[in-house]
Amino acid sequence: AQSVTQPDIHITVSEGASLELRCNYSYGATPYLFWYVQSPGQGLQLLLKYFSGDTLVQGIKGFEAEFKRSQSSFNLRKPSVHWSDAAEYFCAVGALDYKLSFGAGTTVTVRA
Amino acid sequence: ETGVTQTPRHLVMGMTNKKSLKCEQHLGHNAMYWYKQSAKKPLELMFVYSLEERVENNSVPSRFSPECPNSSHLFLHLHTLQPEDSALYLCASSQERTQRVGYTFGSGTRLTVV
Repeated sequence: AQSVTQPDIHITVSEGASLELRCNYSYGATPYLFWYVQSPGQGLQLLLKYFSGDTLVQGIKGFEAEFKRSQSSFNLRKPSVHWSDAAEYFCAVGALDYKLSFGAGTTVTVRA
Repeated sequence: ETGVTQTPRHLVMGMTNKKSLKCEQHLGHNAMYWYKQSAKKPLELMFVYSLEERVENNSVPSRFSPECPNSSHLFLHLHTLQPEDSALYLCASSQERTQRVGYTFGSGTRLTVV
């Protein structure tokens, strides 16, 4: 069964600074990988996904993520953070069936 | 609007009450899911319906009872809940067995059991 680890529970970043959120997965084959964002009181919104091809994927809101098979990682990045990026971010991994396994999430705080 | 609508947004219920959560999607998806989100814990998959049949029940207590009358609607019937059941309940949908597009989530129902 697949699993996901997000090592960072909470990250604080200054507005305008870069952001990187870590995600490590465990799965025997090439997985489907996703990043979701959740604003307070809301559901999860898909930021980007990877399932094949170019290992650097672009998403919405200026986010990108890079799939590194050798490191079993799928880290999320943004070059310049805006105050509206304060939220909780979830990495998820899917296999050939319909289930997604989610990480515990990383809370991002943006300071002025 | 995400395409998946959950009602109510907030619910407060006593431990002896019976209530239902509703989820509706018109995305043409064939699979629907209930997740429980508690503070500082990973999302817990509760139930999965694929083509209106329950295909997974992750050891969820019987006080939670799902119903999927058609591919567009999913319910979660609640009775004799416990305070530890207080959480955000999220509904999601997807194309069955096609994870290339991921899930579409609703905004959730914030449940408080008193």
